[in-house]
Amino acid sequence: AQTVTQSQPEMSVQEAETVTLSCTYDTSESDYYLFWYKQPPSRQMILVIRQEAYKQQNATENRFSVNFQKAAKSFSLKISDSQLGDAAMYFCALRFGGSNYKLTFGKGTLLTVNP
Amino acid sequence: DAGVIQSPRHEVTEMGQEVTLRCKPISGHNSLFWYRQTMMRGLELLIYFNNNVPIDDSGMPEDRFSAKMPNASFSTLKIQPSEPRDSAVYFCASSPGRVNSPLHFGNGTRLTVT
Repeated sequence: AQTVTQSQPEMSVQEAETVTLSCTYDTSESDYYLFWYKQPPSRQMILVIRQEAYKQQNATENRFSVNFQKAAKSFSLKISDSQLGDAAMYFCALRFGGSNYKLTFGKGTLLTVNP
Repeated sequence: DAGVIQSPRHEVTEMGQEVTLRCKPISGHNSLFWYRQTMMRGLELLIYFNNNVPIDDSGMPEDRFSAKMPNASFSTLKIQPSEPRDSAVYFCASSPGRVNSPLHFGNGTRLTVT
């Protein structure tokens, strides 16, 4: 079974500062994919960033980047220059390779951005 | 691209009533997922379809829940009879069916069973 753990139920950051959200996972598979989703108060689920496990280079999308440590099974999300609009629940998710496309989510981290 | 469309956005019903949630996936996506979100359990996968065929329904809580996908552009999740513990936000998501593709979520249906 695959599990995803987000150990920080809540985090806060000052506007323009940097914050890192933690995620660890457990899988015996070697081929898998990792995602971060954002859920603002509107409850829409929005893809933030994705990482293929076979890629050593950490993914980056504008102010969002990941620190992917495959041996440690860690996949943290760094948000640089935090903005008020970044305030949301953030979910880490894991998907196996192969033909099973289901996504397993962590419990989420609620991020507050202080002006 | 209209995105994944779910209806209704909100549903309030009484215990024992039948509830049907609807989903239209993104055109061309051949994988469809139903998730349930609660404070206690987070996001749980209920069932997913590939090419209209149910592939994994291990997350369906009990026989009161059923899901269908009669064609590539429509799916339903039915609860009969509904119970207060079914109150949650139900999300439908679709994906192109490539393993590195993300899921595209609808805006969810908030179900309240009184």
